[in-house]
Amino acid sequence: KQEVTQIPAALSVPEGENLVLNCSFTDSAIYNLQWFRQDPGKGLTSLLLIQSSQREQTSGRLNASLDKSSGRSTLYIAASQPGDSATYLCAVTRSTLGRLYFGRGTQLTVWP
Amino acid sequence: EAGVTQFPSHSVIEKGQTVTLRCDPISGHDNLYWYRRVMGKEIKFLLHFVKESKQDESGMPNNRFLAERTGGTYSTLKVQPAELEDSGVYFCASSQDPRDYNEKLFFGSGTQLSVL
Repeated sequence: KQEVTQIPAALSVPEGENLVLNCSFTDSAIYNLQWFRQDPGKGLTSLLLIQSSQREQTSGRLNASLDKSSGRSTLYIAASQPGDSATYLCAVTRSTLGRLYFGRGTQLTVWP
Repeated sequence: EAGVTQFPSHSVIEKGQTVTLRCDPISGHDNLYWYRRVMGKEIKFLLHFVKESKQDESGMPNNRFLAERTGGTYSTLKVQPAELEDSGVYFCASSQDPRDYNEKLFFGSGTQLSVL
């Protein structure tokens, strides 16, 4: 059974700080790992997808890394802004089944 | 381009009643997924359609839940009769190519279901 854990559950930081959100998963037989962002009352928006053969992906101020053998991923947010405030979710896909296994998320608040 | 649309956004019903949730995926997307988040828990998979066929329904909690996707377009998820533990946010997601699970997944805003 695949379990996904995210640490910390909540994080509150001043604007401008660099952040690291952590995700771990129990079964290393994954197809890919995705980081999503969810704003209150909205759906999930895919931020980055790392295929199992890749080590990292970057998009703007976001960088996600994947260490499949140790079952860990990190999402690095550079120079955080108030607009980054949201819940960040990590999810993995096992093999080719397509279904996602989610963590409970990290609720991020960036204050001015 | 319209995104994934879910109706209603909120539903409040009494225990024992029936509720039907609807999802309109992005046009042309063959993959359609239903997920649910119960308060305090992680988002969990319910089922996966490829076009009109159920590819994987192993996440459906019990036979009170019935999902359909007639014609391979929109999908409905019916809960009958609803129980208190069915309360939560029901998300729908879609993607285009059933052969590519590295493809980006698009989520709807969800239906908040409250069973009283």
